[in-house]
Amino acid sequence: DVKVTQSSRYLVKRTGEKVFLECVQDMDHENMFWYRQDPGLGLRLIYFSYDVKMKEKGDIPEGYSVSREKKERFSLILESASTNQTSMYLCASSLGGAGDTEAFFGQGTRLTVV
Amino acid sequence: RKEVEQDPGPFNVPEGATVAFNCTYSNSASQSFFWYRQDCRKEPKLLMSVYSSGNEDGRFTAQLNRASQYISLLIRDSKLSDSATYLCAVNPPTYGNNRLAFGKGNQVVVIP
Repeated sequence: DVKVTQSSRYLVKRTGEKVFLECVQDMDHENMFWYRQDPGLGLRLIYFSYDVKMKEKGDIPEGYSVSREKKERFSLILESASTNQTSMYLCASSLGGAGDTEAFFGQGTRLTVV
Repeated sequence: RKEVEQDPGPFNVPEGATVAFNCTYSNSASQSFFWYRQDCRKEPKLLMSVYSSGNEDGRFTAQLNRASQYISLLIRDSKLSDSATYLCAVNPPTYGNNRLAFGKGNQVVVIP
């Protein structure tokens, strides 16, 4: 089974802190994604990556950056956390290529910024 | 225009009843259709893929209607454990081969 693992289930950070959310997948997937999910807004794509050291902005990249130094790991960085970044963060991966778009999700990180 | 639209509900369903809901997509050339299930405060998990010929898994049936650009999910003999949010996902050609567009989900509440 594909396993996508996020480093923390729950996280509380202070405003202005630099926050790192880590995600690791064990199935050699090409694609990795970071979403945030808020009530009534659904899943919103922050950043995604098709390959090592490659990144693309999603729909809401402002206030975030990412890093993909190794194929299996995709990190989301909040440069200076703000209270409006309190949310559920979900990492996902997919194999990549035509017909291989099924996404597998990590367990989520519920981030609270105080 | 959004790639994928779902009626959020909630859909209140008596235990044992049948419930069905649709998900419309805007790009007629979309490929790869999925239904995901998401329990409260958990991650989405794949429920089933949706093929052109439809797909059935036990009490769950998914269908694709390309002419009207929607996919559907039907749950028969609803159980209390079916209470969840059901997200549809579509791969529109504008997203390339790798990215899915997700709906906001249909919330299903099965009532004893």
